[in-house]
Amino acid sequence: LAKTTQPISMDSYEGQEVNITCSHNNIATNDYITWYQQFPSQGPRFIIQGYKTKVTNEVASLFIPADRKSSTLSLPRVSLSDTAVYYCLVGVFSGGYNKLIFGAGTRLAVHP
Amino acid sequence: AAGVIQSPRHLIKEKRETATLKCYPIPRHDTVYWYQQGPGQDPQFLISFYEKMQSDKGSIPDRFSAQQFSDYHSELNMSSLELGDSALYFCASSPRASRYGYTFGSGTRLTVV
Repeated sequence: LAKTTQPISMDSYEGQEVNITCSHNNIATNDYITWYQQFPSQGPRFIIQGYKTKVTNEVASLFIPADRKSSTLSLPRVSLSDTAVYYCLVGVFSGGYNKLIFGAGTRLAVHP
Repeated sequence: AAGVIQSPRHLIKEKRETATLKCYPIPRHDTVYWYQQGPGQDPQFLISFYEKMQSDKGSIPDRFSAQQFSDYHSELNMSSLELGDSALYFCASSPRASRYGYTFGSGTRLTVV
């Protein structure tokens, strides 16, 4: 599984756009990039997944450059309820024998 | 929609006691994963099962064991509990071919006193 590096913590204010960048220099050809969100005392929740270029859903956008050595999770107009830990994971996640390995996530604090 | 069900939600045990945590995956999900998350820590992978067979093993102590049953639910058995076993234990499930994320349960908070 590719090693990932992301900021330990970030601060933002309500209504701002938040971009969290994750580095994964040794990403493999078959690897996907997946982001999870975790609130205190709750299980991680899948946010978004992508392979290349840009992916957008109702919650976030994921930007992946051509070399795929990094990715950026973009949260538009954050609110206080977006305060959570965000994890970037890289690998083949197709169930069966493919487990999720969580590294150190980014603790996002959204302020009024 | 059905989610991953874990029971109990909270459990208090004394040192050296035994605890059993249960996980009921989403219907038609054939893979179950167990994670341990200590206070202020990131989730650590313990063990996984695919089609009722152990598929992978992480940093799970020898005092812990787990299995997946014919109905795909899984149980994590923890013996000779230590204070350091106090943590949140999450179970996640996924179907065999899913690129759309694994689903986690709400966890069991185990407190060893």
